[in-house]
Amino acid sequence: AQSVTQLGSHVSVSEGALVLLRCNYSSSVPPYLFWYVQYPNQGLQLLLKYTTGATLVKGINGFEAEFKKSETSFHLTKPSAHMSDAAEYFCAVMRSNYQLIWGAGTKLIIKP
Amino acid sequence: DTGVSQDPRHKITKRGQNVTFRCDPISEHNRLYWYRQTLGQGPEFLTYFQNEAQLEKSRLLSDRFSAERPKGSFSTLEIQRTEQGDSAMYLCASSPTKTSSSGANVLTFGAGSRLTVL
Repeated sequence: AQSVTQLGSHVSVSEGALVLLRCNYSSSVPPYLFWYVQYPNQGLQLLLKYTTGATLVKGINGFEAEFKKSETSFHLTKPSAHMSDAAEYFCAVMRSNYQLIWGAGTKLIIKP
Repeated sequence: DTGVSQDPRHKITKRGQNVTFRCDPISEHNRLYWYRQTLGQGPEFLTYFQNEAQLEKSRLLSDRFSAERPKGSFSTLEIQRTEQGDSAMYLCASSPTKTSSSGANVLTFGAGSRLTVL
C-alpha cells in the first residue's frame, strides 16, 4: 500500500535561512509525487510535481524538490525563507488516476 | 477561468441537521473530487466523478454522506444527520479528463467549506 510520511509537524526557520521539509513515500510502482501549499483559510495550491524525467523539480515561489528513488524521498527546499512562505505544506503520492495519498502536513513557521 | 468555487465557505450547524455543500469546478474540467480534511491531517479522499458519473464512492465515510453531479458541471455533497465528528474542512478539486503527457493527473482545489457541528 502506498503511504506518505512527512517528518515534523512543525518546522521553524529564520527569515533568510534554508527551508527543508521532508517527505518519504512508499510505493510499489514508480510514483507521481506532489507538493501542495495551504495558506490559512485557503485551498491547496500546487507547488511542484515529479512525474518522469529530471529528478530535480523546480516549482513556484523559489521552491524545488529532488526525487531520490534510492531513499524513497521527495524533500522540499528553498534556499532563503521569506515571511510569506509561512503556511502548511503537504506532500502527496498519486495512488491512481483519481486518488492522491497525502502526508499529514508540515507547518512552516518563519521567524523574523 | 475563475478556479474551483465552493459554497458556503463556513457552515455552523447543530447535531442532527442536514448540510449541503456546492462545488463549481473549472469549466473545462470533467473530473471532480471531494476530499475531507481534519485539523492536523492531510486530505482524505471521499469520492470522484467523471462528468456526471460517480466512478468511486466506496470511500464515503458512511451512508449519511452522498454526492451528486447531475449535469456534469457543479456538484453537491450532502451530509445527513450531522454528528460532531463530521466537523472538518470539505475540499473540492477538479482536473482535466486528459492527463498530462507525463500521465500525471493534476488537481486544482477550491478554498474549501468548513463545517462546524455543535
